Amino acid sequence: VHLVESGGGLVKPGGSLRLSCAASGFTFSDYYMSWIRQAPGKGLEWVSYISTSGEITKFADSVKGRFTISRDNAKHSLFLQMNSLTAEDTAVYYCARGPDKVTTHFDWWGQGTLVTVSS
Amino acid sequence: QSVLTQPPSASGTPGQRVTISCSGSSSNIGVNPVNWYQHLPGTAPKLLSYGNNQRPSGVPDRFSGSKSGTSASLAISGLQSEDEADYYCASWDDDRVVIGGGTKLTVL
Repeated sequence: VHLVESGGGLVKPGGSLRLSCAASGFTFSDYYMSWIRQAPGKGLEWVSYISTSGEITKFADSVKGRFTISRDNAKHSLFLQMNSLTAEDTAVYYCARGPDKVTTHFDWWGQGTLVTVSS
Repeated sequence: QSVLTQPPSASGTPGQRVTISCSGSSSNIGVNPVNWYQHLPGTAPKLLSYGNNQRPSGVPDRFSGSKSGTSASLAISGLQSEDEADYYCASWDDDRVVIGGGTKLTVL
């Protein structure tokens, strides 16, 4: 299993950014996928998950209405569209496989991509 | 403030047994499985325990998770220097994932 995030970078407050996660080594369409972030000096924070077909999406209250999660099963890719960014969104964003339908765990994580929101 | 409460820090000497607690409520830990992750700075977090007490392949049996009521614990026996890391508990609450604030484990 291999998860590789990309798309991070420096963006101004109020701006937008689209993160991508390229998955390999497993049947991507069989798994829920998620984004989890870690702000500087803070703990892990779950951001969003998407169901296998993309029909079900959930978001943390801190990003609801500003972030959109999507996936392309044919291209084994996960995306996070982030709009109206603020300094509080500055974090390393991790792509993770899961949550598992029964135990809700994330069994594989990427190395993360850094998003910095600053003027 | 995290929905799941963990002590911010823990410590032990090599060979010791250390326990990290995770306190939740009837809407999360009380009715859903608990999972534990290890995170070293600059690396991908690693699943240590899932479904309350199941160990993924490759995780040493020094690590063991448990749950009772609305609380959970991760025990690390035979502490080693490479165990120095941040540890997070996680569960499920009303269709969302909840993650504890994390515990920084120091090996003295």
